[in-house]
Amino acid sequence: GEDVEQSLFLSVREGDSSVINCTYTDSSSTYLYWYKQEPGAGLQLLTYIFSNMDMKQDQRLTVLLNKKDKHLSLRIADTQTGDSAIYFCAERFSGGYNKLIFGAGTRLAVHP
Amino acid sequence: NAGVMQNPRHLVRRRGQEARLRCSPMKGHSHVYWYRQLPEEGLKFMVYLQKENIIDESGMPKERFSAEFPKEGPSILRIQQVVRGDSAAYFCASSPSSGDTGELFFGEGSRLTVL
Repeated sequence: GEDVEQSLFLSVREGDSSVINCTYTDSSSTYLYWYKQEPGAGLQLLTYIFSNMDMKQDQRLTVLLNKKDKHLSLRIADTQTGDSAIYFCAERFSGGYNKLIFGAGTRLAVHP
Repeated sequence: NAGVMQNPRHLVRRRGQEARLRCSPMKGHSHVYWYRQLPEEGLKFMVYLQKENIIDESGMPKERFSAEFPKEGPSILRIQQVVRGDSAAYFCASSPSSGDTGELFFGEGSRLTVL
C-alpha cells in the first residue's frame, strides 16, 4: 500500500543543521518531494528528487535518497528562525499522474 | 501570473448545511487535485479531476462529498449535510499536465468549521 512516515517534531538551535527524515513504501515512485507549510498557508514546493538520483543539493538544502531502504532525508544547513514550519515529505503515485502521497509532516522549531 | 485561487478562505457552517469550496487553477493548468488536512495531520488525497472528468476519486468519502471541474469556471468541492468531522482545511492544487516532474501548485486552502 501507499504510506509515507515522518517524525512529528524537530527542535534545533539557530545556525545548526536540521535533518528531517522520511520513509516511503512505493518502490516504483519516480519522484519524491519536500514541501514546506507555514502557519495558515498552503504548501510550497522546496525541492524534489528523481528516483535515479541519490543526492540533490540546492543552496542550503540537501536531499538524500536511499532507494534500497526507501528512506529520504532533507538537510537544512545554517537553520534560521524563518525556517520554522511544517515540512512534508511526499511520493508520487505510481499510476502515471501527479497524485502525491504525503506524510503527516515534521514540525520544525528553531530557537535562538 | 496568479497562483491557485481558493475561496472562501474561511467558511463556517452548522451541522446539516452545505459547504461549497471553489478552486481556480493556475492559468494554463487543466489538472486539479483536492486534498483534506485534518487538524495536526498531513494532507490526504481526495480527488483528481481534469476538465469535465473525474479521473481518480479514491480518496473521496462515498456519501455527501462530490467534486466537479466544468469546462468553464472553477472546480467545486461540495459537501452536503456537513458534520463536525468535516471540519478541516481543504487544499486545491493544480498542474499543467500529468507528467513532467509532478509538481503540484497549491492554493492557500479553505478552512471549514462546522458548528
